[in-house]
Parts: sequence; structure tokens; C-alpha cells
Amino acid sequence: DGGITQSPKYLFRKEGQNVTLSCEQNLNHDAMYWYRQDPGQGLRLIYYSQIVNDFQKGDIAEGYSVSREKKESFPLTVTSAQKNPTAFYLCASSIRGRSNTEAFFGQGTRLTVV
Amino acid sequence: GDSVTQMEGPVTLSEEAFLTINCTYTATGYPSLFWYVQYPGEGLQLLLKATKADDKGSNKGFEATYRKETTSFHLEKGSVQVSDSAVYFCALSPPGYSTLTFGKGTMLLVSP
Repeated sequence: DGGITQSPKYLFRKEGQNVTLSCEQNLNHDAMYWYRQDPGQGLRLIYYSQIVNDFQKGDIAEGYSVSREKKESFPLTVTSAQKNPTAFYLCASSIRGRSNTEAFFGQGTRLTVV
Repeated sequence: GDSVTQMEGPVTLSEEAFLTINCTYTATGYPSLFWYVQYPGEGLQLLLKATKADDKGSNKGFEATYRKETTSFHLEKGSVQVSDSAVYFCALSPPGYSTLTFGKGTMLLVSP
């Protein structure tokens, strides 16, 4: 079945640690995205990538980093510089460059700082 | 910049009641408009979309019409079910881009 797989589902991080969230897709989509969801805040764009080896900052990129070495994979690293990392993180993919295209979402990773 | 405003929840209804969730947007040009739904603990799924003025998107009994004159895309359903309980997000995508700008979401709770 085609889709997006995020792992792990739950992640706990100690203060000062970097953690990496995994996102893999087998939909053959060029574009991939990371969103952060906080209660009552909707989804906010962290980073996106339209093609391999290229990515752009979204609205809230500070304290995060990404890489796009393969078409299928778009991992997100939450660094120690992110002051409030506890949130629900969603990865998505879509056809590149078309505003009328559907975005497909993973099941999310819930990150908690302990 | 682009923005989406939707009514705050929770919206609490009895089964078979009529549903309206209001959504208005601010954007340049003619964005594409979407409603996504999120069930507890899950990612988002596309519910419906409309890509130009006066288009009506529909799916699973839900409908929304792209109103350019009022910059609105209100979600409606004639008779809700308990299984419709979820969070509903209105979103837009600007012309030529696939990134999405979301509203804050509206929780719908339907009781038997």
C-alpha cells in the first residue's frame, strides 16, 4: 500500500538533546513537508522540500534541521536550540508545484521533553 | 501573508443535526481551498477541495463552495453522525505552490 510512514509514534527527549524524526513515503512524490501541531494552533510549516538535495524554511524553522538525500525520505531533527519542542509533528507529501494537489499525511510523531 | 480563519470549537451537535463550520481566507490571486479532517491520534485526510471560484467540493455528505466575493469556504453537512466527530481544518494553497496554510481547526463532537 502506498503511503507515508512516520516513526516513532511517541518520542521522549531530555533537555539539551537532539532527536531525529523519521518520514518515509512510497508515493513517488517530489514534494515533502514537516508541520508542527500544537493544541488550538492548527498546523504550522517547519520545512519543505520540492526536490532531492533542496529544501526551504517554512514559518517556524528555528531550532529544526532537515535533509533530503533520497526522494523517499525527509527526516527532521529537533535540535537543542528549539526552546519548546513538545508538540505533535506531521510529515506530508504531494505532487510538486501544483496548488490543487492533495497532500498525504503520516500518522504523526508525538514528541515530549522530559 | 496568506491566512485562514475558522470558527472556534468545540461544536457540539446531536446526531442528524445540520452542521456548518465557517472558514474565511486572506490570499492574493486565486488559491486552492481544502478541508482536511483529523481523527484522534491520527494524521490529516483530505475531505474535499475546490480550485476556482464557485466550485463546490463534496465528499461523504460534506459540501463546501468556493466564494470569491466573500473569501469563504464554509463546510456543511445535512445530517451528522457520531462517526463524524473529529477536528476539521480549513486550508489554502496559493497558485503555483503546493504548501498549505491552515486554520486553527474546529473540533466537532456529535452525540447519539
